[in-house]
Amino acid sequence: EVQLVQSGAEVKKSGESLQISCRGSGYTFSNYWTVWLRQMPGKGLEWMGMIYPGDSDTRYNPSFQGQVTISVDKSISTTYLKWGSLKASDTAMYYCARFSKLVTTMSAVGYWGQGTLVIVSS
Amino acid sequence: DIQLTQSPSTLSASVGDRVAFTCRASQSSGRWVAWYQQKPGKAPKLLIYEASHLEDEVPSRFSGSGGGTEFTLTISNLQPEDFATYYCQQYDTYPYTFGLGTKLDIK
Repeated sequence: EVQLVQSGAEVKKSGESLQISCRGSGYTFSNYWTVWLRQMPGKGLEWMGMIYPGDSDTRYNPSFQGQVTISVDKSISTTYLKWGSLKASDTAMYYCARFSKLVTTMSAVGYWGQGTLVIVSS
Repeated sequence: DIQLTQSPSTLSASVGDRVAFTCRASQSSGRWVAWYQQKPGKAPKLLIYEASHLEDEVPSRFSGSGGGTEFTLTISNLQPEDFATYYCQQYDTYPYTFGLGTKLDIK
């Protein structure tokens, strides 16, 4: 069974750094792009970026480029989303997810983590 | 970026009804459109991919159609568990984008 398990909720202050994680299991981790998405309170879904664990190819949405860093540790089947300096506007639910199809990015998102709630106080 | 406009933003319906939601793209997305269902406090769930293909284990009362710039999600014979928010997403052109959603609630 494909599973994506995310790290727990975080409460931080503006200016602090943070890294959240997403561990994949039940599939060949290196062969599927992992995606990160943001959902602000009461709002829709936003595509932040994605990473291919096989070669660490990383693609950001220009709207998020420079604001976050996506990385991977293949040895433990885990991807990461990192902020160097949080802002109150980063308060949101963050989802990791996986494309349905092997290797390609021309795919719908078939598997989702449970979400990590990040709350940033000013 | 490709903008996706979903309509209506809210729809009220009853169990047993047939409903349809529209997703219009600011430029052609071919057939690279997916539909997701999200319930409060839960992650989205894939329903339809490539505009009209039903994801495994999704009930056949869900169907998708369209191509280019206009796409439709139809739910026939609404069930109580179908009341949720529905999002369309294009994966033709990066960055991939979502519509703002249609909230389906009980009349």
